[in-house]
Amino acid sequence: GENVEQHPSTLSVQEGDSAVIKCTYSDSASNYFPWYKQELGKGPQLIIDIRSNVGEKKDQRIAVTLNKTAKHFSLHITETQPEDSAVYFCAVLRDSNYQLIWGAGTKLIIKP
Amino acid sequence: EAQVTQNPRYLITVTGKKLTVTCSQNMNHEYMSWYRQDPGLGLRQIYYSMNVEVTDKGDVPEGYKVSRKEKRNFPLILESPSPNQTSLYFCASSIIAGGPPDTQYFGPGTRLTVL
Repeated sequence: GENVEQHPSTLSVQEGDSAVIKCTYSDSASNYFPWYKQELGKGPQLIIDIRSNVGEKKDQRIAVTLNKTAKHFSLHITETQPEDSAVYFCAVLRDSNYQLIWGAGTKLIIKP
Repeated sequence: EAQVTQNPRYLITVTGKKLTVTCSQNMNHEYMSWYRQDPGLGLRQIYYSMNVEVTDKGDVPEGYKVSRKEKRNFPLILESPSPNQTSLYFCASSIIAGGPPDTQYFGPGTRLTVL
């Protein structure tokens, strides 16, 4: 079945610097790749997603890139701010039953 | 306000005592799902429902039951809770509209401790 690996598990960056989180997946038929942000004490919230017919998508300081050949996709956050501190999850949609398979999460720490 | 609500938010119980965690959404979503979140394991799906009276097992369904009698509600039932079901539980919903569910809206979570 589909397997999603997410790295790193913890990422500490200086405020203003960029952060990159990477996920790899195993099922080449997958075609939907969302990223969720989970703040302390809350449920995950979608921040950006990408479908397999595009290679990159941007939304202000956040971007996602997809390499279908290599089966990996990455979240890029530029000009990081304290409010970016959270746990970030990648996910992959399993087409056979519309189920999202989740990475283990990355705790992003923004140092002042 | 569009939202997914869960109750209770926190629950401490003992082994074998049946419990129900409620989930309700006010967005008229067809798809609803239950996840458990454990450190280092991310989110794992317990059960999901594509519509009223349609439910299916996720990756970790053992020890759980669900029902979907109304579109807005999707309760999670633990008939005989055990300590390995101590976890953080999330309910989520999504619109389908003829295609696969995309954006999932999550509830605030229920932290369950089984002694």
